Amino acid sequence: ETGVTQTPRHLVMGMTNKKSLKCEQHLGHNAMYWYKQSAKKPLELMFVYSLEERVENNSVPSRFSPECPNSSHLFLHLHTLQPEDSALYLCASSQDRFSRTGSPLHFGNGTRLTVT
Amino acid sequence: GQNIDQPTEMTATEGAIVQINCTYQTSGFNGLFWYQQHAGEAPTFLSYNVLDGLEEKGRFSSFLSRSKGYSYLLLKELQMKDSASYLCAVLSSNDYKLSFGAGTTVTVRA
Repeated sequence: ETGVTQTPRHLVMGMTNKKSLKCEQHLGHNAMYWYKQSAKKPLELMFVYSLEERVENNSVPSRFSPECPNSSHLFLHLHTLQPEDSALYLCASSQDRFSRTGSPLHFGNGTRLTVT
Repeated sequence: GQNIDQPTEMTATEGAIVQINCTYQTSGFNGLFWYQQHAGEAPTFLSYNVLDGLEEKGRFSSFLSRSKGYSYLLLKELQMKDSASYLCAVLSSNDYKLSFGAGTTVTVRA
């Protein structure tokens, strides 16, 4: 079983739909992240949770709403998205939030989102 | 903020060596990561450099020069399975944010 699991792998949704992305980590890590990956562009950090508390929100539109019910699970709730939100959404975890020791991120395989 | 530059694409022959360069500008530096990402898969951690010099891990090596804002990832004895995107990421010491470059797609040909 992989360390970080994301579901679904693929999602197609209309602009008026509401859907949720799910992430689960089995590594005992304390920090979890949502990243957006668009073609030929750098990974964009969206949200950071440390010990279930949101510690960072990188000016992400309110149509993206994260939820972290416990240290192993992370959700990204989506509503009224735009076509430009189509991208690969990656979840990651690390032992500690970007620490001085630079603990590496462990990524899930991502959810390929298409907004029509 | 951080500026991270790496080439978009590189092509090499099986068995050869390829060097992927990464240059960065950051207001505070706390380390540089390299990740490998195969198409449709998760990025996976390759290396972390925080001190100047070369770190070797089997066929892969990573080099860092903090004074020059420069790193490279060296892939030796290339194999077909090394065809992937390689992501350079810099950790800031000011706000502990990890910023990524756009990635370098390496294609290994027989």
